[in-house]
Amino acid sequence: AQTVTQSQPEMSVQEAETVTLSCTYDTSESDYYLFWYKQPPSRQMILVIRQEAYKQQNATENRFSVNFQKAAKSFSLKISDSQLGDAAMYFCASTATGNQFYFGTGTSLTVIP
Amino acid sequence: NAGVTQTPKFRILKIGQSMTLQCTQDMNHNYMYWYRQDPGMGLKLIYYSVGAGITDKGEVPNGYNVSRSTTEDFPLRLELAAPSQTSVYFCASTQSHRGTEAFFGQGTRLTVV
Repeated sequence: AQTVTQSQPEMSVQEAETVTLSCTYDTSESDYYLFWYKQPPSRQMILVIRQEAYKQQNATENRFSVNFQKAAKSFSLKISDSQLGDAAMYFCASTATGNQFYFGTGTSLTVIP
Repeated sequence: NAGVTQTPKFRILKIGQSMTLQCTQDMNHNYMYWYRQDPGMGLKLIYYSVGAGITDKGEVPNGYNVSRSTTEDFPLRLELAAPSQTSVYFCASTQSHRGTEAFFGQGTRLTVV
């Protein structure tokens, strides 16, 4: 089984500033994948970024990047130059064989103009 | 691009009633999933399917049933609805069994009164 923990229920950031959302995970799998999904008020789940555990290089997607610390089982999301449209619930998730996703409890991000 | 389509978007059920949540995808994905999202919690897996005719239980299957007669459709059946089934339900699909992005429907908000 896999577990994902997000210890920050709520975070806030000033527009144009940088914020980091934390995530830790636990898995017995040797080959697994990690994701950050965004859920705006519309409820739609949107993929933000994906990391393959066997790759040491941290994934980046435009203003979004991760800090993947495999030994520490940590997978944080950094949002640079925060925009009002980044306000949402963010979920960290892991998956392995069978592609069943295990989600954390989420972090609600508020962007302050 | 339709992606994953769920119906209905909202529903109120009385205790003891039954209903079917519909899910269809047009991406020819073999893997499909049903999750539920409770307030303050992440998504939890109810049932999943690896192809037509094959289904299996996830973390929280009690009170639900599924079927998969075609690649496109994966309905979720609630029998004898209970207040504990009040939740938001998401259908999702993935292209392969390992590490690929999950595409989600827009969710169904179900209230059992």
